[in-house]
Amino acid sequence: DVKVTQSSRYLVKRTGEKVFLECVQDMDHENMFWYRQDPGLGLRLIYFSYDVKMKEKGDIPEGYSVSREKKERFSLILESASTNQTSMYLCASSKGQGRVAFFGQGTRLTVV
Amino acid sequence: GQSLEQPSEVTAVEGAIVQINCTYQTSGFYGLSWYQQHDGGAPTFLSYNALDGLEETGRFSSFLSRSDSYGYLLLQELQMKDSASYFCAVRDTGGFKTIFGAGTRLFVKA
Repeated sequence: DVKVTQSSRYLVKRTGEKVFLECVQDMDHENMFWYRQDPGLGLRLIYFSYDVKMKEKGDIPEGYSVSREKKERFSLILESASTNQTSMYLCASSKGQGRVAFFGQGTRLTVV
Repeated sequence: GQSLEQPSEVTAVEGAIVQINCTYQTSGFYGLSWYQQHDGGAPTFLSYNALDGLEETGRFSSFLSRSDSYGYLLLQELQMKDSASYFCAVRDTGGFKTIFGAGTRLFVKA
């Protein structure tokens, strides 16, 4: 079974904290993505990576950074968490030119 | 800019057929996908169209017209378990980046 694992299902952090969201995939996929999901807005792409150490900005990168030191792991970093970053964060991976993205179960982050 | 438009909600009865439309405006196009997401769950892949026409997978079919920048997902013989959110998504040129629509919430009534 293909698997994308996000380190936490629920997180509560304080404003100003540095937050790390981790994602690991076991499918040897080249591409990995971070989305945030908010009601009425669907999934919005924050960052993606098509290779180790490579990253590209998505549609809403402000306030976020990413790290991909190994092929299987893609980390999303909130440098200084703010309340407007309270959201569901979804990690996904896909293979090369593959048509299918596989998603993790999501991390519901609350910033207080 | 890039955008995908789909209805926010659709309601249908069990056993019926429902069509969820998606129009897109993107800087590049490599294919149109559909994903299903149940409450509290992860989005899961349903269907993909790279070329014009209809793709059928069991009770679900998906259609694409690239000249109209339009596609739809057709769900037949609706079941209660089909109540979920459905997202259309476009892979841009090069295939690396996938942009999602806001999603259509489908309610199936008995």
